[in-house]
Amino acid sequence: GAVVSQHPSRVICKSGTSVKIECRSLDFQATTMFWYRQFPKQSLMLMATSNEGSKATYEQGVEKDKFLINHASLTLSTLTVTSAHPEDSSFYICSASPKGSDTQYFGPGTRLTVL
Amino acid sequence: QQQVKQSPQSLIVQKGGISIINCAYENTAFDYFPWYQQFPGKGPALLIAIRPDVSEKKEGRFTISFNKSAKQFSLHIMDSQPGDSATYFCAASPSLTPLVFGKGTRLSVIA
Repeated sequence: GAVVSQHPSRVICKSGTSVKIECRSLDFQATTMFWYRQFPKQSLMLMATSNEGSKATYEQGVEKDKFLINHASLTLSTLTVTSAHPEDSSFYICSASPKGSDTQYFGPGTRLTVL
Repeated sequence: QQQVKQSPQSLIVQKGGISIINCAYENTAFDYFPWYQQFPGKGPALLIAIRPDVSEKKEGRFTISFNKSAKQFSLHIMDSQPGDSATYFCAASPSLTPLVFGKGTRLSVIA
């Protein structure tokens, strides 16, 4: 149990385009989902926390207009990177927590490459 | 105060040996301490987690030792295997708040 999926696993896009990444909790309802960014050989950097039905809470330094997060249901959160640029190239990982639980289950990640 | 300091940065262990990774924290509000294992190109996978009310938790070859007074916790991997070669992250948080991650430890288990 406790499986989190992400789609796509890998995406290459041109500079200036927008990319949407989906995060789904497959076998539990996730009242809270988290989005992270990870650069090579570095730790996970929390970008934002999203709660179902409410606006996401962004970490300091993360542009909310550039990284749009929607948590429309208890099993789905999306991250849209708008007007992507090469510096946005990274590994994006989501995680989800069941209601009332501290445990975070991570998705497999999405490798974004912006040309 | 929000940091979790993890050491060592990298670790090489002989097959069959014990791998030990340490983490320290300052925030006394932290009450949830998980360890994650991450292989290259994959998302982190939860290995084992502990709360401050116990000093040790064991699951298979993985053991967390927790020292509340020293504000330290560690992961022990017994009988380390080449398949355990990965990056390990400790984390901590107050209840129901985002995790604070350590910087990670790259473990290599050599035959």
